[in-house]
Amino acid sequence: EIVLTQSPGTLSLSPGERATLSCRASQSVSSSYLAWYQQKPGQAPRLLIYGASSRATGIPDRFSGSGSATDFTLTISRLEPEDFAVYYCQQYSNSRTFGQGTKVEIK
Amino acid sequence: EVQLVESGGGLVQPGGSLRLSCVASGFTFSGYWMSWLRQGSGKGLEWVANIKQDGSEKYYVDSVRGRFTISRDNAKSSLYLQMNSLRAEDTAVYYCARGKGYFDPWGQGTLVTVSS
Repeated sequence: EIVLTQSPGTLSLSPGERATLSCRASQSVSSSYLAWYQQKPGQAPRLLIYGASSRATGIPDRFSGSGSATDFTLTISRLEPEDFAVYYCQQYSNSRTFGQGTKVEIK
Repeated sequence: EVQLVESGGGLVQPGGSLRLSCVASGFTFSGYWMSWLRQGSGKGLEWVANIKQDGSEKYYVDSVRGRFTISRDNAKSSLYLQMNSLRAEDTAVYYCARGKGYFDPWGQGTLVTVSS
């Protein structure tokens, strides 16, 4: 099983700041089969990024994904008030597993 | 609008059974792999099972294999999860989602509580 470790656990930032979230895999994720989701309280997760760097339909271009093999990053270039949420990475290279999440909170 | 609506959750005793349903609308259901995922209270996300467009291939996470069965009815645009021999650790919000690898969109979820 591929274990995904996200860091930091919590990120305290102000609106307008840049957020950088990390996702590290215990073994290589082939073909960059890595996705990112956003989840707000009481809601289902929403797909942001698939294939490590492709934005899902309707996702603003302030969200970007990068990385390969075992190290992946989600960047939010300028935080909007609606971006404060929990973010999960997920791999679909070997079965499907999720990271434990990074909470982006208002500082 | 693409929409997935789950139902069938509730309180069940350990060892009991429950059948979850998910009705899809706004897209050609028969053209997509479909999946079930779950999220325990205060816990992370876990993929549970998925099923090919025609139902000919089904895959499960190890922890539910042999106890849960995923199925679909394309004529009704519906996805199902039959859950048997339920355990306390199966307590979670269960989501249906479109997709095989990554998941988009997700339904709103249905809560399953396994407790005596």
